[in-house]
Amino acid sequence: ETGVTQTPRHLVMGMTNKKSLKCEQHLGHNAMYWYKQSAKKPLELMFVYNFKEQTENNSVPSRFSPECPNSSHLFLHLHTLQPEDSALYLCASSQEGSGQGYSPLHFGNGTRLTVT
Amino acid sequence: GQNIDQPTEMTATEGAIVQINCTYQTSGFNGLFWYQQHAGEAPTFLSYNVLDGLEEKGRFSSFLSRSKGYSYLLLKELQMKDSASYLCAVMDSNYQLIWGAGTKLIIKP
Repeated sequence: ETGVTQTPRHLVMGMTNKKSLKCEQHLGHNAMYWYKQSAKKPLELMFVYNFKEQTENNSVPSRFSPECPNSSHLFLHLHTLQPEDSALYLCASSQEGSGQGYSPLHFGNGTRLTVT
Repeated sequence: GQNIDQPTEMTATEGAIVQINCTYQTSGFNGLFWYQQHAGEAPTFLSYNVLDGLEEKGRFSSFLSRSKGYSYLLLKELQMKDSASYLCAVMDSNYQLIWGAGTKLIIKP
């Protein structure tokens, strides 16, 4: 499924670099999410945007900065990261308020980030 | 605190049946999800249970017991392509998803 597209797939950056991760969803959903996935750990929710408004920021360090210019696009701006930030960053979307009772997340393939 | 427990890794044989368990302790309950994630790929939605009982979808079934805080994912007629990680997630009373660390399933011929 190519409903949620993330670029780049892989990123290596130094601790002083600035880079951005991009996510685009083609599903007409109204909510978008950033998750961090580290090996053998549960998915960690970082940010939630609902109807382009940020509704959640789970105590994420300020070196991660999200941006949601419209309901189809989501960015994660990165600066002065630490080696422990190396992980798979997953974007997801869902349709909230659909009256279905639940709304499964649709994930992108992720960006594998390595901080050196 | 809120917690989801599932085995880290399981091994099964092609053509066999495997059951992946998930136990949870959460603040309220608004449903339980199972996702499949192949290595290097996106997690994909498999099933949703909110009422007790068994939900069947082809070779995959998911069971829920709310009183026991327990679910399992049953995979029948295993195929090599079923080798993946299986993620259990519970939606709590605030409609927040609480995730388990995932179970890596290895299928051997």
